[in-house]
Amino acid sequence: GAGVSQSPSNKVTEKGKDVELRCDPISGHTALYWYRQSLGQGLEFLIYFQGNSAPDKSGLPSDRFSAERTGGSVSTLTIQRTQQEDSAVYLCASSLAGGSSYTFGSGTRLTVV
Amino acid sequence: RKEVEQDPGPFNVPEGATVAFNCTYSNSASQSFFWYRQDCRKEPKLLMSVYSSGNEDGRFTAQLNRASQYISLLIRDSKLSDSATYLCVVNRGNFNKFYFGSGTKLNVKP
Repeated sequence: GAGVSQSPSNKVTEKGKDVELRCDPISGHTALYWYRQSLGQGLEFLIYFQGNSAPDKSGLPSDRFSAERTGGSVSTLTIQRTQQEDSAVYLCASSLAGGSSYTFGSGTRLTVV
Repeated sequence: RKEVEQDPGPFNVPEGATVAFNCTYSNSASQSFFWYRQDCRKEPKLLMSVYSSGNEDGRFTAQLNRASQYISLLIRDSKLSDSATYLCVVNRGNFNKFYFGSGTKLNVKP
């Protein structure tokens, strides 16, 4: 597609439930990133996929968080047993390899109640 | 020490003013540099890349100082629409991993 697509745009879930957030990157972009941003805060790096390399998971805050990228394209971020502190906007971005800039999706606003 | 550091601001300036932000980075191996703009409750969007020779895009000028490991963004003739958070982004080049600053908030007042 023309841009990075994320779904759902908004998600309200009950504490303790699992959620899946989807990111569809720009076609041909080999690098994909997940960030999260709490209200009024900066971007917090979560995970990074680059081609067929092992993902950089160094930013995942706990083992309740996991992400996959199937076929080098679509990525799913899964949060198990959600907690209220997981409430944030989850942003996905993609880029071509080689240090070029990247493009963000419009994010998924997750609210855990 | 954080990879990328920025003054969070806010910078409150009148319309028409010139304002400058700096951003420092810790890794001398960093290779690519960018400024992103983020409006309230929106995703960040690329404002401009920062080249070694410096670059200008209309009212915006970006510069890189490798010796002192900082990049700057200068905004001339500020407009109300320039009000946003400006994010400094640095890429080391290995595996294309980017590092974001926490952003500098700019408020342009009438």
